[in-house]
Amino acid sequence: GAGVSQTPSNKVTEKGKYVELRCDPISGHTALYWYRQSLGQGPEFLIYFQGTGAADDSGLPNDRFFAVRPEGSVSTLKIQRTERGDSAVYLCASRGSGQLSGANVLTFGAGSRLTVL
Amino acid sequence: AQKVTQAQTEISVVEKEDVTLDCVYETRDTTYYLFWYKQPPSGELVFLIRRNSFDEQNEISGRYSWNFQKSTSSFNFTITASQVVDSAVYFCALIGFGNEKLTFGTGTRLTIIP
Repeated sequence: GAGVSQTPSNKVTEKGKYVELRCDPISGHTALYWYRQSLGQGPEFLIYFQGTGAADDSGLPNDRFFAVRPEGSVSTLKIQRTERGDSAVYLCASRGSGQLSGANVLTFGAGSRLTVL
Repeated sequence: AQKVTQAQTEISVVEKEDVTLDCVYETRDTTYYLFWYKQPPSGELVFLIRRNSFDEQNEISGRYSWNFQKSTSSFNFTITASQVVDSAVYFCALIGFGNEKLTFGTGTRLTIIP
């Protein structure tokens, strides 16, 4: 697609429920990132995929969070047993393989706003 | 550890005024990149500029200009003759060469008053 697409744009759930957030990166982009943005804060890194594999998941806060990218394109961020503290905007970004690592110009999606009641 | 500080939480200026957004960073990397992103109400982060640590030349793009000073670890952003469409949250960010994690500041909410 022309840009990074994220669904749903808004998700309201109850504490303890399971949620999935989807990211469709720009076609052909091999690198995909998830960031979390809490209210009044800057985005914080969660996980980075190169192709199908998670190359760096050091930002995932705990084992309730998991992400997959089975075919190297669409990615799903999965959150189990949601807590109120998980409420945030979850941003996805992608970049093409031709760009140097460390000189990333990431293209971000509009995010999925998660509210845990 | 890397850190980006944007001390200005909110700024309001009247349209056509100039405004400067401050960014101070900390890093132990000798090679790194600095970025500015704009986040309008729609939520997407829009890339504005990337600057590498070896290039301290100031850059101008239309009404936007950036002042990178390695000696003070600052990368400030000036908007000249501000317009209402400039209203957004602006983020400064840093990444080390070879790294994949962008470190963002907390952002500055800029409001341009018509």
